[in-house]
Amino acid sequence: EAQVTQNPRYLITVTGKKLTVTCSQNMNHEYMSWYRQDPGLGLRQIYYSMNVEVTDKGDVPEGYKVSRKEKRNFPLILESPSPNQTSLYFCASSSIPGPRFPSYEQYFGPGTRLTVT
Amino acid sequence: DQQVKQNSPSLSVQEGRISILNCDYTNSMFDYFLWYKKYPAEGPTFLISISSIKDKNEDGRFTVFLNKSAKHLSLHIVPSQPGDSAVYFCAASAWRSQGNLIFGKGTKLSVKP
Repeated sequence: EAQVTQNPRYLITVTGKKLTVTCSQNMNHEYMSWYRQDPGLGLRQIYYSMNVEVTDKGDVPEGYKVSRKEKRNFPLILESPSPNQTSLYFCASSSIPGPRFPSYEQYFGPGTRLTVT
Repeated sequence: DQQVKQNSPSLSVQEGRISILNCDYTNSMFDYFLWYKKYPAEGPTFLISISSIKDKNEDGRFTVFLNKSAKHLSLHIVPSQPGDSAVYFCAASAWRSQGNLIFGKGTKLSVKP
């Protein structure tokens, strides 16, 4: 079954304690991305990756790091979490848009609800 | 500055009637538009899309209309069903943005039996 998985699904942590949220896809997609969803703000992109070892900032990258050492995995790292990073996080993947791929359809994971106290 | 706007946070419709969800955008470079549907405790799922070279795309009960001159698109659901109750996100992308999607804030649709 084609899917994007995230772990953990729920996490409560304290300010300053480093954490990693994992994301994995089994569709051999080149493109992967992280979003956060906050009430009244919709989905905002944090970081994205066009392929292995190729990452770039989205709209709200401050306080986050990512890495893309393998095509299927795209972990999100919070080196020193703060309460303003309390949010619902989604990982997504897609094939690379281009003439052969007219759809920009992204497949989303189930989400990780993070609370930083 | 918000590039994709969904000005109605919520919409309530009777089962069997038409649901119309609206979306406005400001960036004239956007050339592809999508609608995603999200149920609670799940990730968004792709629903329907439209390229800027078209003005309508239909898939079963779902039709998306694009008015480029007004920078406006809408999603029509006919007939609406209780299972359509969800949050609907409008998203847009520009070819030069490498496929990155800009999302609206979402509209919560409630379809009442």
